Amino acid sequence: GQNIDQPTEMTATEGAIVQINCTYQTSGFNGLFWYQQHAGEAPTFLSYNVLDGLEEKGRFSSFLSRSKGYSYLLLKELQMKDSASYLCAVRDSNYQLIWGAGTKLIIKP
Amino acid sequence: GAVVSQHPSWVICKSGTSVKIECRSLDFQATTMFWYRQFPKQSLMLMATSNEGSKATYEQGVEKDKFLINHASLTLSTLTVTSAHPEDSSFYICSARDVRGKGNQPQHFGDGTRLSIL
Repeated sequence: GQNIDQPTEMTATEGAIVQINCTYQTSGFNGLFWYQQHAGEAPTFLSYNVLDGLEEKGRFSSFLSRSKGYSYLLLKELQMKDSASYLCAVRDSNYQLIWGAGTKLIIKP
Repeated sequence: GAVVSQHPSWVICKSGTSVKIECRSLDFQATTMFWYRQFPKQSLMLMATSNEGSKATYEQGVEKDKFLINHASLTLSTLTVTSAHPEDSSFYICSARDVRGKGNQPQHFGDGTRLSIL
């Protein structure tokens, strides 16, 4: 079966750095995506990785290792508005998105 | 950027009512649209995949006679929750995939519809 694992909840301090991990086992691989979802809102796209390595976009970076079936999302200089759920999703060989359950990130002052 | 419009954003109605939710792609053509349901504090659950001009593909456990999906054009898909009951209360989100292909943002999401059945 297909499976994506990420921690259920994480807590970090404003101004700090946090890393959210995602491991996956899917039927094929055509890219990994990170989405941010605030409570009561639809997900918004954050990042995309299809090749191994680090993709940086401002305060957010995403890393991928295809051989290990592993990715992480790194958030720097945390702000209170970063409190949200972060969803990891993998596009499989049929170009379908397989979603993780999401990681709820709580930012404390 | 690409925009998906979902309407209405909030519905409150009585048990037994049928509710229609619209999902429109505003500046691109979407051969495929997806309908998700999300219960509080849970992840997105794919309900069905809607393909323009053909029948929707429903995920296991989703009643196709209760959740009617119509994808009549490349820019519009509708989800009708028939004879809704309190257990159907949830956050329904649509997303659309651009016909131009399999790029680095595979799905554009609508803002969601919060459905509350009394």
